[in-house]
Amino acid sequence: GAGVSQSPRYKVAKRGQDVALRCDPISGHVSLFWYQQALGQGPEFLTYFQNEAQLDKSGLPSDRFFAERPEGSVSTLKIQRTQQEDSAVYLCASSLAGTANYGYTFGSGTRLTVV
Amino acid sequence: DQQVKQNSPSLSVQEGRISILNCDYTNSMFDYFLWYKKYPAEGPTFLISISSIKDKNEDGRFTVFLNKSAKHLSLHIVPSQPGDSAVYFCAARGSSGNTPLVFGKGTRLSVIA
Repeated sequence: GAGVSQSPRYKVAKRGQDVALRCDPISGHVSLFWYQQALGQGPEFLTYFQNEAQLDKSGLPSDRFFAERPEGSVSTLKIQRTQQEDSAVYLCASSLAGTANYGYTFGSGTRLTVV
Repeated sequence: DQQVKQNSPSLSVQEGRISILNCDYTNSMFDYFLWYKKYPAEGPTFLISISSIKDKNEDGRFTVFLNKSAKHLSLHIVPSQPGDSAVYFCAARGSSGNTPLVFGKGTRLSVIA
């Protein structure tokens, strides 16, 4: 597609439930990033893929968070045993390798609310 | 420890006047700086960027100024238009093209007609 597509747009999860958030990057984009944006804050880095390789996962807040991109295109961010503090907008972004000078292209995000 | 700081949570400007959004950073390894604009329920959209080797970059109504010695950058919008009303995020990254962006908390700009 023309842009970065994320689904679902909204997700309400009960505390303790597992969730999976999907990101469909721009076709041909090698790099894929996940960010977490809490209310009133800027986006914070979670993890980075180059093709199918997860090169940086230093931003993942706990081992309950797991991301994958098995075929180097679609990526899934999984959160196990969700907690209230996981409530945030999860943003996915993609870029062509070496062209981040124009920044990344972000999707519209998935708003996760844990109740 | 915030590496990118936007100290003004909000700013109101009259239509046609200049909007100046400020950003400070602490990490001297940052090499590239970007501004993103965000409307409600949408992802951030890239607006303009500047490399650390420059002190000014202009694109239409938008100009970014960088003062490396002060670790400060600013975004000027002139003339401001009601459609510019959005949250503006300052972001920075290191020299490698795919290092993660570090964002500030954002400034909400309201342009009043």
